[in-house]
Amino acid sequence: GQNIDQPTEMTATEGAIVQINCTYQTSGFNGLFWYQQHAGEAPTFLSYNVLDGLEEKGRFSSFLSRSKGYSYLLLKELQMKDSASYLCAVRDRTNDYKLSFGAGTTVTVRA
Amino acid sequence: KAGVTQTPRYLIKTRGQQVTLSCSPISGHRSVSWYQQTPGQGLQFLFEYFSETQRNKGNFPGRFSGRQFSNSRSEMNVSTLELGDSALYLCASSSGLEETQYFGPGTRLLVL
Repeated sequence: GQNIDQPTEMTATEGAIVQINCTYQTSGFNGLFWYQQHAGEAPTFLSYNVLDGLEEKGRFSSFLSRSKGYSYLLLKELQMKDSASYLCAVRDRTNDYKLSFGAGTTVTVRA
Repeated sequence: KAGVTQTPRYLIKTRGQQVTLSCSPISGHRSVSWYQQTPGQGLQFLFEYFSETQRNKGNFPGRFSGRQFSNSRSEMNVSTLELGDSALYLCASSSGLEETQYFGPGTRLLVL
């Protein structure tokens, strides 16, 4: 299987920037996904990286380095509604393209 | 386009009973995956169906089973429920095996 590591918790102030790191080990990397999950709700898709580099979508950006087995999700201009759990997930073609999830990083945004 | 829908949203059962959960994917999506989410274990993969065939299965006991119908709707069944089966059961659909998965709202199951 895959080892996917991400910090358990992070706290930041409204308007600030937070970077959530994710490291993984996989033998057949086939894409990395970030999902946002508010308490009691389903995960919602944020971003997808399969090639090295930065993908930007409004206030959210995601970066991937395949050689380092590393990704980060950057949240800019934090808003209170960004308080949620952020899940890193990796797809592995040698694992039947199954999606494996990290434990999630709980981000708390304070006023 | 309507999103993934799951029914029921909440369910309370007692130990030993069985339960069937339903998932309707996004229109045009042929792949449906099921996950169990608990505070201690996070999101755990149960199984995936594509065009009515089970493609993948996670490390869950045989009490957990599923199927997919010709219209891509999927059902998941858990027999002989145990207290530890209390969890949020999420269904996700995608248009293909290498496409993004989109999640439904989940079914929250409580086993007493």
